[in-house]
Amino acid sequence: DQQVKQNSPSLSVQEGRISILNCDYTNSMFDYFLWYKKYPAEGPTFLISISSIKDKNEDGRFTVFLNKSAKHLSLHIVPSQPGDSAVYFCAASGGAQKLVFGQGTRLTINP
Amino acid sequence: DTGVSQDPRHKITKRGQNVTFRCDPISEHNRLYWYRQTLGQGPEFLTYFQNEAQLEKSRLLSDRFSAERPKGSFSTLEIQRTEQGDSAMYLCASSPPDRGRPGELFFGEGSRLTVL
Repeated sequence: DQQVKQNSPSLSVQEGRISILNCDYTNSMFDYFLWYKKYPAEGPTFLISISSIKDKNEDGRFTVFLNKSAKHLSLHIVPSQPGDSAVYFCAASGGAQKLVFGQGTRLTINP
Repeated sequence: DTGVSQDPRHKITKRGQNVTFRCDPISEHNRLYWYRQTLGQGPEFLTYFQNEAQLEKSRLLSDRFSAERPKGSFSTLEIQRTEQGDSAMYLCASSPPDRGRPGELFFGEGSRLTVL
């Protein structure tokens, strides 16, 4: 039962362009959504989050959009930089302490 | 370095042996979590402590798994009678008490278990 899904295992984007990573969820009880970034041999690090009462949250080059009716969120990175190359995990929380993670999308930024 | 520390970073063991992992959270964080990550998947929740109390356990945590946080500081995760299916990265994370952003966890680098 995969409650949070990232259907694209990988994404390749040219440096300077926009990267869009997508995530779908099935549980309407989720009320907080997060994106984590993971470099090889490191633990995931928090990137950006959004409450279910909002539809957009922006932090510098990173913007997260939430479409509750479609149960879909996306992460936009613009402009993309080589240091953005990493695995990105979408995660959701339903009020309890545990996070439910997607499978991850490997983003590669090409020079 | 004041981040979350995990030890050992890599453990290779034979099937049937017991293994123990240790996690030292960020010092002022009272919440501690264990997650497991297998190849090609995201982290999966195993268990959660608030101070020394274990408040939530996943169904993934079979009776071969036990976690403790005896003094509300470091935590241990023990796996008894290891099976090949236990091979995974075991991630520890901590978070501060009701401060910061909900769901913002600070992860360690993980302990990779390989069961032969």
